[in-house]
Amino acid sequence: GESVGLHLPTLSVQEGDNSIINCAYSNSASDYFIWYKQESGKGPQFIIDIRSNMDKRQGQRVTVLLNKTVKHLSLQIAATQPGDSAVYFCAANQAGTALIFGKGTTLSVSS
Amino acid sequence: ETGVTQTPRHLVMGMTNKKSLKCEQHLGHNAMYWYKQSAKKPLELMFVYSLEERVENNSVPSRFSPECPNSSHLFLHLHTLQPEDSALYLCASSQFLGVGNQPQHFGDGTRLSIL
Repeated sequence: GESVGLHLPTLSVQEGDNSIINCAYSNSASDYFIWYKQESGKGPQFIIDIRSNMDKRQGQRVTVLLNKTVKHLSLQIAATQPGDSAVYFCAANQAGTALIFGKGTTLSVSS
Repeated sequence: ETGVTQTPRHLVMGMTNKKSLKCEQHLGHNAMYWYKQSAKKPLELMFVYSLEERVENNSVPSRFSPECPNSSHLFLHLHTLQPEDSALYLCASSQFLGVGNQPQHFGDGTRLSIL
């Protein structure tokens, strides 16, 4: 069946470094991708999304890159701050079908 | 203010109890969802409602019974639950049905513990 998976369950970085969280998906027909951030005791919070007609999209301190050839998605966080510590997970789907979520990568930022 | 409010935030119940989880969204969305989040597992979609009509039921046991009286409110009625049902239950909403191609907005969840 279709799957979405993150490459690393945990990632530790120093404050001020750039963070890169990677995600792979299996369904080549997927055309919508989304990243969420979940802090302890809270629900998932939308960060950024991208459609398959794009390969890059930028937000505030975050960039999502999409490589449809290898079915890979990444989230880049610039100048990582302690407040960025959370679980990050990606999700993907094709139009009209349910979002498939990955398990999540725990980002730890030390100062 | 998340726009999606869930109550209660925590719930402890015995296996013979009956309780309900409540979700309310203040975003004017037309679609609402229930998810189960267990440790070390991806989010599991349970139910999808569009304009108060249930459109998806992902093989969820009948001990979970959803109700959507209007497009702003969603309930999950619980009865005769099992210990493996202990999890974080998340409600989400989106502007239209079509689950994808638009972000879903989540509440902060109800942490459910079954004794």
